[in-house]
Amino acid sequence: GAGVSQSPRYKVAKRGQDVALRCDPISGHVSLFWYQQALGQGPEFLTYFQNEAQLDKSGLPSDRFFAERPEGSVSTLKIQRTQQEDSAVYLCASSLLGGMNTEAFFGQGTRLTVV
Amino acid sequence: AQSVTQLDSQVPVFEEAPVELRCNYSSSVSVYLFWYVQYPNQGLQLLLKYLSGSTLVKGINGFEAEFNKSQTSFHLRKPSVHISDTAEYFCAVILSGSARQLTFGSGTQLTVLP
Repeated sequence: GAGVSQSPRYKVAKRGQDVALRCDPISGHVSLFWYQQALGQGPEFLTYFQNEAQLDKSGLPSDRFFAERPEGSVSTLKIQRTQQEDSAVYLCASSLLGGMNTEAFFGQGTRLTVV
Repeated sequence: AQSVTQLDSQVPVFEEAPVELRCNYSSSVSVYLFWYVQYPNQGLQLLLKYLSGSTLVKGINGFEAEFNKSQTSFHLRKPSVHISDTAEYFCAVILSGSARQLTFGSGTQLTVLP
């Protein structure tokens, strides 16, 4: 596709349920980022991939959060045993290279609501 | 620790008036600075960025920003706004030498009134 695609756009999960959020980056983009955006806040960094390697996962809030990018393209963010505080918009971004000069393109996000 | 402060959470302004959205950052090392815009139900879009060189940066849609190192500020300006500029605006930084993730401010909702 022409841009970063995320699915589903909306997800309602019961507390305790596991969820999987998908990100399809722009084809050929090496770098991929996940961010969490709580209501009324700016996005907060979760994790960073360069190709299939997860180089930074310092932003993941707990061990219930797990991300993977096994073939260096599509990425999945998994949240186990969801809690109400996990309710947020999850944004994915990709960039061609890892340098500062390369623009990061964002997807529309997945809005997760935990009830 | 680095942080980004956007001093105004909401800025209402009339159409064709000038606007300034304020952003300050706290860091003792070099930073790269960005402004992003988020329209309703859309992803973040890059407006402009400062990496080095001229401190006055021009972006898309007529926006510009000025990097002021002594005041650690990167305020966004537009001389004449349109209704279509109504959106959420985020200031962000990347620390030199970091893993290149963006650290965002809490955002400023710009509402342009007719």
